[in-house]
Amino acid sequence: GAVVSQHPSRVICKSGTSVKIECRSLDFQATTMFWYRQFPKQSLMLMATSNEGSKATYEQGVEKDKFLINHASLTLSTLTVTSAHPEDSSFYICSAPTLASGNTDTQYFGPGTRLTVL
Amino acid sequence: QKEVEQNSGPLSVPEGAIASLNCTYSDRGSQSFFWYRQYSGKSPELIMSIYSNGDKEDGRFTAQLNKASQYVSLLIRDSQPSDSATYLCAAHAGNNRKLIWGLGTSLGVNP
Repeated sequence: GAVVSQHPSRVICKSGTSVKIECRSLDFQATTMFWYRQFPKQSLMLMATSNEGSKATYEQGVEKDKFLINHASLTLSTLTVTSAHPEDSSFYICSAPTLASGNTDTQYFGPGTRLTVL
Repeated sequence: QKEVEQNSGPLSVPEGAIASLNCTYSDRGSQSFFWYRQYSGKSPELIMSIYSNGDKEDGRFTAQLNKASQYVSLLIRDSQPSDSATYLCAAHAGNNRKLIWGLGTSLGVNP
């Protein structure tokens, strides 16, 4: 299957600072990537769709000025959590879709970034 | 609103048994369906995709799709303790590449 990486895997920061998370597709090009957030024992929540060459599309209720997304190239999308607060502590996961066998558009996930804001 | 529904469980089966996980979806326009497994504290990993009516087998896993009933299932044969995880069902939301996610079914396999 396709490989997606994320960096860092874990980050602890002070309240008020900004944190950047990188998502890379390692063996395929991704014009689209997705950013999810998951709180403990809850389901995945789609935050936004990252589009190479254009603005990200945010889901309802997600603040675009707080969660800045930049799709810099066909293999890299970044999510910046600006002025992070303890309530932003969560597991952030990216995914990238690509055509798998049988021409089915399939999402592959990065390993996730666990953010803790003190 | 497009939805995917799963029984949250927990589903508990003995080691060696068949685990049956079920999912229904509301959007008849969905063409592709996916099962992901998520271990606690980890990101989802793809188990199988299915887009044709009928069964699709891969090792111990069999996905079943019935578009008329809007029903997708996953069977795990010879369940192992390492299969204990949350299983997520997802359906394609049309042509924007997004997935509609179920809330997941927690499976426990008892040795």
